[in-house]
Amino acid sequence: NAGVTQTPKFQVLKTGQSMTLQCAQDMNHNSMYWYRQDPGMGLRLIYYSASEGTTDKGEVPNGYNVSRLNKREFSLRLESAAPSQTSVYFCASMASASYEQYFGPGTRLTVT
Amino acid sequence: GDSVTQMEGPVTLSEEAFLTINCTYTATGYPSLFWYVQYPGEGLQLLLKATKADDKGSNKGFEATYRKETTSFHLEKGSVQVSDSAVYFCALSDPGSARQLTFGSGTQLTVLP
Repeated sequence: NAGVTQTPKFQVLKTGQSMTLQCAQDMNHNSMYWYRQDPGMGLRLIYYSASEGTTDKGEVPNGYNVSRLNKREFSLRLESAAPSQTSVYFCASMASASYEQYFGPGTRLTVT
Repeated sequence: GDSVTQMEGPVTLSEEAFLTINCTYTATGYPSLFWYVQYPGEGLQLLLKATKADDKGSNKGFEATYRKETTSFHLEKGSVQVSDSAVYFCALSDPGSARQLTFGSGTQLTVLP
């Protein structure tokens, strides 16, 4: 039981490049989330998916797109990376019964 | 909208000292409250939670009580250890917002031997 996994762990991009961050969970959770973590600002929600086939914007969605590929997988895409997107990105899934969210290990992204 | 305000850090304590990290919240509904812990280089782990007023969450010697009258959920531990050094996040989950988590800014705790 791996919980929530994320790839890659680290990534360096040049401004304007694109990339997709991958997330998968093996806990059969319906809801999945993408957050970014910046110093002194806690975690902020980018997008979430309450169930397979649905996605909704969070607090800071600009510059990102998401895909809920199936119940297990929820990817985050940066179409044209900007230095302001330098951050640590966390994926999470939520157990419906307890409302507890389980986090992946994070992806540290640097955009130069 | 919902918000969480927690004590600014960093906090530095000696081993076996008493720890309090303050957390207050604003929410439109009746939220669940959480404390998460992040060790260096890792993701967030749930430390404890409380789902209704006067509930006390506890885990690994940490405790926090859901106080609706003061809209607070302060984290306490009677005797900290070096291994407790981490960043602590207070968060709320509001049933009116699809159970999204709203986080405080985090408090860095360092415990010295």
